[in-house]
Amino acid sequence: EDQVTQSPEALRLQEGESSSLNCSYTVSGLRGLFWYRQDPGKGPEFLFTLYSAGEEKEKERLKATLTKKESFLHITAPKPEDSATYLCVAGGNTPLVFGKGTRLSVIA
Amino acid sequence: EPEVTQTPSHQVTQMGQEVILRCVPISNHLYFYWYRQILGQKVEFLVSFYNNEISEKSEIFDDQFSVERPDGSNFTLKIRSTKLEDSAMYFCASKAGGTYTGELFFGEGSRLTVL
Repeated sequence: EDQVTQSPEALRLQEGESSSLNCSYTVSGLRGLFWYRQDPGKGPEFLFTLYSAGEEKEKERLKATLTKKESFLHITAPKPEDSATYLCVAGGNTPLVFGKGTRLSVIA
Repeated sequence: EPEVTQTPSHQVTQMGQEVILRCVPISNHLYFYWYRQILGQKVEFLVSFYNNEISEKSEIFDDQFSVERPDGSNFTLKIRSTKLEDSAMYFCASKAGGTYTGELFFGEGSRLTVL
């Protein structure tokens, strides 16, 4: 069964304190690994696509990386506005499989 | 910036009643989806729709659910006889055509509360 597992479930950072979120996946026929951001009461918002191991994508303070079994979302010098739930999503032979997310809180 | 719009934002209904959730996807998109998210749980796939027919559906999408694209702009999800466990946030999403991508554009959701 296709699975996406994210850790930690919740992360609390001080403003400027860098960290990483982890996503491990087991997906048959992986075609892409995606990261989304979800604010409370809102729909997910697309951030990145990663297609192959070794690939990296960056956007402002966020950088996503991919290995054959895991993906990481690195957050450098986060700001309070980065507070959200970050969702790891895998696309393979079945419809997109969502992880449960990491709820990030950045404290000023 | 184009966006996916959903109505209603919140609906409260009695168990056994029929509910229709409406969505207007981004106008030039070709693929349409419904997902749901039970409070505190993962986003779950319900159904995908392409070329005026269902292309895939999950085990959740049983006979009480149906989807329709009645005109060129709306995409609806109907739940025929709601159950308590149907209480969730329902998200509509759309995707442009072309090469494979996981870039879906989600609406803000319709919160369904079944009493």
